[in-house]
Amino acid sequence: NAGVTQTPKFQVLKTGQSMTLQCAQDMNHEYMSWYRQDPGMGLRLIHYSVGAGITDQGEVPNGYNVSRSTTEDFPLRLLSAAPSQTSVYFCAIRGSSTGELFFGEGSRLTVL
Amino acid sequence: GENVEQHPSTLSVQEGDSAVIKCTYSDSASNYFPWYKQELGKGPQLIIDIRSNVGEKKDQRIAVTLNKTAKHFSLHITETQPEDSAVYFCAASGEGRDDKIIFGKGTRLHILP
Repeated sequence: NAGVTQTPKFQVLKTGQSMTLQCAQDMNHEYMSWYRQDPGMGLRLIHYSVGAGITDQGEVPNGYNVSRSTTEDFPLRLLSAAPSQTSVYFCAIRGSSTGELFFGEGSRLTVL
Repeated sequence: GENVEQHPSTLSVQEGDSAVIKCTYSDSASNYFPWYKQELGKGPQLIIDIRSNVGEKKDQRIAVTLNKTAKHFSLHITETQPEDSAVYFCAASGEGRDDKIIFGKGTRLHILP
């Protein structure tokens, strides 16, 4: 998981609270993305970005906001957390030459 | 959009036997098919991938086959070992830098002693 840093690793929120999951990379890749992982549901794409200033929706974007002001950072914002957003969140970057995704270690979020 | 189906959801095999995981995809424009392995508490890691210009690719005990006409691809692990126990994900994508990668729901592989 070298090159992709996610913070925090664990977080507990109350319904309605807001928070930001941080993702930073030092591999200078243009493509960055956020997935959520739930039991029996696999990895579902939330949002992705192909470069600074460009973002797009994935499979399950509702309830999440993203922005991409720099190549290095791609934060994921929950404006009003809901219990359905309890999940493990992974940030992933994509190599432009190989297409391989490099994942962070994950952030476990619990919404009460 | 792309939809990837993966089967089975759980697979148990005796150590030394082979394991096969199958996936189908819906978007005929997809031409890149990676497989990821996720160990407990870690992020997924790429173990092998295949592109649409080949039908099979091998890397030691792991092989992947692709049938573009039928839109399905499979992962084969031979001579399974305890360290092969993990969750495996298939995925599909285009190869362009803007192409998102869509995953199947995963297969939990148990290697029995």
